[in-house]
Amino acid sequence: GAVVSQHPSRVICKSGTSVKIECRSLDFQATTMFWYRQFPKQSLMLMATSNEGSKATYEQGVEKDKFLINHASLTLSTLTVTSAHPEDSSFYICSAHTRDPTDTQYFGPGTRLTVL
Amino acid sequence: QKEVEQNSGPLSVPEGAIASLNCTYSDRGSQSFFWYRQYSGKSPELIMFIYSNGDKEDGRFTAQLNKASQYVSLLIRDSQPSDSATYLCAVNPLSGGGADGLTFGKGTHLIIQP
Repeated sequence: GAVVSQHPSRVICKSGTSVKIECRSLDFQATTMFWYRQFPKQSLMLMATSNEGSKATYEQGVEKDKFLINHASLTLSTLTVTSAHPEDSSFYICSAHTRDPTDTQYFGPGTRLTVL
Repeated sequence: QKEVEQNSGPLSVPEGAIASLNCTYSDRGSQSFFWYRQYSGKSPELIMFIYSNGDKEDGRFTAQLNKASQYVSLLIRDSQPSDSATYLCAVNPLSGGGADGLTFGKGTHLIIQP
């Protein structure tokens, strides 16, 4: 149980394009999902908290107009990187909160974004 | 600003020995603590969580928490080469476990030598 998927696993795009990343909880419902970003040899940094049916809460320094988050259902959250630039190249990882079997977050496999 | 500090390593341990990983955190109000394992290029995998002071054991893993010292540790007994990975310490300010965004340390790179 507590499986989280992400799609795509890897994406390469040109500068200026937009990229959508999907995060799904496969066998449980998640009212709260989180989006993290990890640069090489750095730790995971929380970008935003995604709540089903309401606006996402962004961490300080994260541009909400650049990183659009939609949590339309209890099993799906999407992150859209708009007008991507090379500095947005990173490993984007989502997680979903559940209390079953334990009260914690389970992570998706991540999406490697490369902006040329 | 909430901070979680870990020694980046690498920490090299012989196979079969005990690996000891340490973590300190700055937010005294933190309530729940997690250890994740991350292999290169992969996302984190939950190893253990601990909420109360003391020790918590799960198989070869033991998590230790000392809130007064703001210190969390992870012991891995009978270390195996497959344990070689980066271990991330994560802290949540709420007692509800995973219902808030986690603050991660930079991780300790552990190498188990055959």
